[in-house]
This record gives sequence, structure tokens and C-alpha cells, in this order.
Amino acid sequence: GQQVMQIPQYQHVQEGEDFTTYCNSSTTLSNIQWYKQRPGGHPVFLIQLVKSGEVKKQKRLTFQFGEAKKNSSLHITATQTTDVGTYFCAGRHTGTASKLTFGTGTRLQVTL
Amino acid sequence: EAQVTQNPRYLITVTGKKLTVTCSQNMNHEYMSWYRQDPGLGLRQIYYSMNVEVTDKGDVPEGYKVSRKEKRNFPLILESPSPNQTSLYFCASSFAGTELLTFFGQGTRLTVV
Repeated sequence: GQQVMQIPQYQHVQEGEDFTTYCNSSTTLSNIQWYKQRPGGHPVFLIQLVKSGEVKKQKRLTFQFGEAKKNSSLHITATQTTDVGTYFCAGRHTGTASKLTFGTGTRLQVTL
Repeated sequence: EAQVTQNPRYLITVTGKKLTVTCSQNMNHEYMSWYRQDPGLGLRQIYYSMNVEVTDKGDVPEGYKVSRKEKRNFPLILESPSPNQTSLYFCASSFAGTELLTFFGQGTRLTVV
């Protein structure tokens, strides 16, 4: 079936270091969304990418959508302890209307 | 305030005892869905509904039922819970279409013993 793989599963960084999580789909995506889930919380929408090769920034976060619309990445510059949580990508495969397929998530731990 | 409300937040039950987790949204969203979250597996879709009286299976529907009699409500029913259904459950909603973000409920942590 349609799958979205995400790597790494877990990353531990020191505050100030950069962090990147990668998302790969088995089929072409019509768009991709990114969510953040704080420990004990629920997923919260961060951003949506729609166009091939699109790049969007939110302060220290940079989101990219691949040219083939099958992969995406989230890069955090100079991590802070407030960045702790699990980051999920979620893609809509072409022709599946509103159905979102979530990646397995990357858990980020940031220490001082 | 726009929100998705799930109840209960925590539930411990015994194998075979039917239970219902309620979900309600106040945003007039057409699309609602249920996910379960397990370590290392991310969020997996159980069932979804495109509108009232329209429901369909997600990726892991076995052992679950849903209904969509009203637009705002989308309960998840476990007719005969088993220990492998111990998980964190999330209800979510959005407007129908491919461009719009999804709102999640606070989650229901279910333990089946």
C-alpha cells in the first residue's frame, strides 16, 4: 500500500546544533504536511507544501518538498529545548482525496 | 474556540467489554478520522468519514467500528476489545479537499487488560 517512511526514528542533539528529518513516499504526493507533537500532547499542524521543489521557512524551521513530490525534509537551525517533540510528515497521495498518510515520526531530544 | 473533543482521555478496560470513545468537532468539518499511535509505527488511520453517513476503512480497521449520524460526531466503537488494541487514539477533522490542515483531538489513552 501507500507508505510514507521517515528517518531517523530518533535524534538527540545538544542545544544549538542543527537537526534534519527526512520523509520519503512510495508514490507521488499531491501535497505534504508537517506536524509537531510535544511529549504527552497531540499533533499540531506546522505547515503544508504543495508545489514541486517548494521551500518554506518558519523562523528556524525550513521545509522542503522534493522536485518529484515524493520526498520532503524539515531542518531546524540552532535547536532549542522548546523544539523537543516528535515531528511527523503526512502526505496525501495523488487520487486519495482527503486521506492523510502519516510518516513514522522522528523524536527529537534536545539537551543543554 | 475551534476544537476537536475526545472522551474519555484515559480508559482502562477488560478484554471483551464493549466501549465507545466519543469525538466531536465544532468547525463544521466534513472529513473526520480516527488514528491510533503506537511507538515506532507513527499514526495509523483506523476509519475515516467524508461526510454524514459516509464511512470507510483506513489502514487498520480490524476490531473497530464507527458511525457518522451527525456531522459533528464520529464515535469509535470497540465491540470486543483485546489487549492488542491498547494504544493512544486520536480523532481528527478537516474540511474535505486536499489543501487543508487537520485538527486533532487531545487523545485517548486506552489500556485493555
